[in-house]
Amino acid sequence: EVQLVESGGGLVQPGGSLRLSCAASGFTVNTNYMSWVRLAPGKGLEWVSIIYSGGDTFYADSVQGRFTLSRHNSNNTLFLQMNNLRPEDTAVYYCARAYCSSAGCYPWYFDYWGQGTLVTVSS
Amino acid sequence: QSALTQPPSASGSPGQSVTISCTGISSDVGDYKYVSWYQQHPGKAPKFLIYEVTKRPSGVPDRFSGSSSGNTASLTVSGLQPEDEADYYCFSYAGNNKGVFGGGTKLTVL
Repeated sequence: EVQLVESGGGLVQPGGSLRLSCAASGFTVNTNYMSWVRLAPGKGLEWVSIIYSGGDTFYADSVQGRFTLSRHNSNNTLFLQMNNLRPEDTAVYYCARAYCSSAGCYPWYFDYWGQGTLVTVSS
Repeated sequence: QSALTQPPSASGSPGQSVTISCTGISSDVGDYKYVSWYQQHPGKAPKFLIYEVTKRPSGVPDRFSGSSSGNTASLTVSGLQPEDEADYYCFSYAGNNKGVFGGGTKLTVL
């Protein structure tokens, strides 16, 4: 059974850093496309970042240069290092796996999601 | 990348059909046809409903259907049920290895 479990959220001051983790089971992170998506209070979903199966990473303009997505193959875990955090980064952060069918894997569709971890940036 | 445009709210009575639109620009919805739809209940993770504009993943009821015309994609929920009351989001590949969500539509079942 596919499962994604996020952790690492919490309260941090503006300018601070946090590292989120997404522990995967039921599939292998390093052979899949994985994304982070966030939901800010009172707002809609926002795509944050993607790591391709080959390891390339890409980011939304709003987090480019501040966030870094990586994966630990032996632990089957995805990480999101968030630096220079701003109040507008306050959100529930979800990791999501790309949808795969018999026809292949589609990096821009997300079929399994974690339960999310809350990040609050405030002084 | 700018968010795709969705109506903030939609409503219908049980058994009725409701359609939610998602308008982008030629470089996202119009060009790539990589549109997907997600349902999210409060406090829950999003659920994958539709991909490649019209296709349903296994397990999604056929009451949910997708379509598109030009730069606008649409999600239709037929035979509305109380549990369909949720937020609905469209998502599209926007080029340059980036993705973009719509602003979300709150569906109320009257």
